[in-house]
Amino acid sequence: DTAVSQTPKYLVTQMGNDKSIKCEQNLGHDTMYWYKQDSKKFLKIMFSYNNKELIINETVPNRFSPKSPDKAHLNLHINSLELGDSAVYFCASSQTGNSPLHFGNGTRLTVT
Amino acid sequence: EDQVTQSPEALRLQEGESSSLNCSYTVSGLRGLFWYRQDPGKGPEFLFTLYSAGEEKEKERLKATLTKKESFLHITAPKPEDSATYLCAVQDPGTYKYIFGTGTRLKVLA
Repeated sequence: DTAVSQTPKYLVTQMGNDKSIKCEQNLGHDTMYWYKQDSKKFLKIMFSYNNKELIINETVPNRFSPKSPDKAHLNLHINSLELGDSAVYFCASSQTGNSPLHFGNGTRLTVT
Repeated sequence: EDQVTQSPEALRLQEGESSSLNCSYTVSGLRGLFWYRQDPGKGPEFLFTLYSAGEEKEKERLKATLTKKESFLHITAPKPEDSATYLCAVQDPGTYKYIFGTGTRLKVLA
């Protein structure tokens, strides 16, 4: 009965490859997010979708492309991976308004 | 630009030694201040939401308080299982973004 689940948990790949991370939430929330956490544990917003509509798009390289097929799913596709993309990527969801975020357990991406 | 600053960066306590973590913010028109706990290899786990100055929330050994410019997370008689990184975040009223601080790494020694 995991609330926010993301796969895979670990992703090791080489520079130049393309990879995807999937996220699903069963909380009935209407807003989903992708956050990037660097080695210093700083969480930075990348994207947010509300009811499948992109509402937040931070200054992220356009190699990163989110897709939300429905309000319970948000995927992240990354093209031409670079060393600097290595980080932990978290999916989160919330109800519209000022309600708290609920996070998945992260995907640790390592680019070699 | 909205900012969230947490202090200290790291804190080591003996079991039973109470202390406080600080989260100061510059956003105007606060829509909510959120505290999270993050264990290694896990996602942040929601603890509390505070909406207005003077508000307090408690859960076991943790108590969160809010003023107009900062929030405190008080830890009373901590145990080793309280060891974690504690994050705070505020919601920007204009963009609805959640802006996080860099966290406080708490280590409680038995």
